Amino acid sequence: EAGVTQSPTHLIKTRGQQATLRCSPISGHTSVYWYQQALGLGLQFLLWYDEGEERNRGNFPPRFSGRQFPNYSSELNVNALELEDSALYLCASSLAAGRGEKLFFGSGTQLSVL
Amino acid sequence: QKEVEQNSGPLSVPEGAIASLNCTYSDRGSQSFFWYRQYSGKSPELIMFIYSNGDKEDGRFTAQLNKASQYVSLLIRDSQPSDSATYLCAASLSYNTDKLIFGTGTRLQVFP
Repeated sequence: EAGVTQSPTHLIKTRGQQATLRCSPISGHTSVYWYQQALGLGLQFLLWYDEGEERNRGNFPPRFSGRQFPNYSSELNVNALELEDSALYLCASSLAAGRGEKLFFGSGTQLSVL
Repeated sequence: QKEVEQNSGPLSVPEGAIASLNCTYSDRGSQSFFWYRQYSGKSPELIMFIYSNGDKEDGRFTAQLNKASQYVSLLIRDSQPSDSATYLCAASLSYNTDKLIFGTGTRLQVFP
């Protein structure tokens, strides 16, 4: 069974540009989560999508946005990139956002903003 | 102010010893707690979750929760070099996994 897949593995952008990160959940999983892991910081919750809807978002500015497609894959968009957006972006999926549901993480997209 | 705090380590223990990893959280409304293991360059994987005060055991791992002290710990018995990784503690205000607050992790080194 394929795990959570993310693309691209690495992404290099310059300040002010837009970045698009993609995630495919494990087959059968309907919930997709996005986390940011910056150097020296813990994983910071960004967004949660379930059944195509945004269910919750973390304390990030509106230039961080995303969507979930009918096949449950997801896209994270970061507009007007800033240097501090450089981080590892992890996507996770679960069967549903239920009690004790296990999150399965992808390998991440390393975003570098120059 | 960090909501979930962990000592960054490294915590060094000899093979076969018990490794004790600790975590405190600031929000008394936190309901569920998770331990993830992250090998260098890899993605986090769930080891255990706990909701109720007391101990929860799974193989060599025991999670302990004390809500009065706002303290969570993970004990690893018979530590192996393959346990060397960063251990992330996470808390959620709900019983669901929709928004986990992670600590910065404790790096564990198990030496032969």
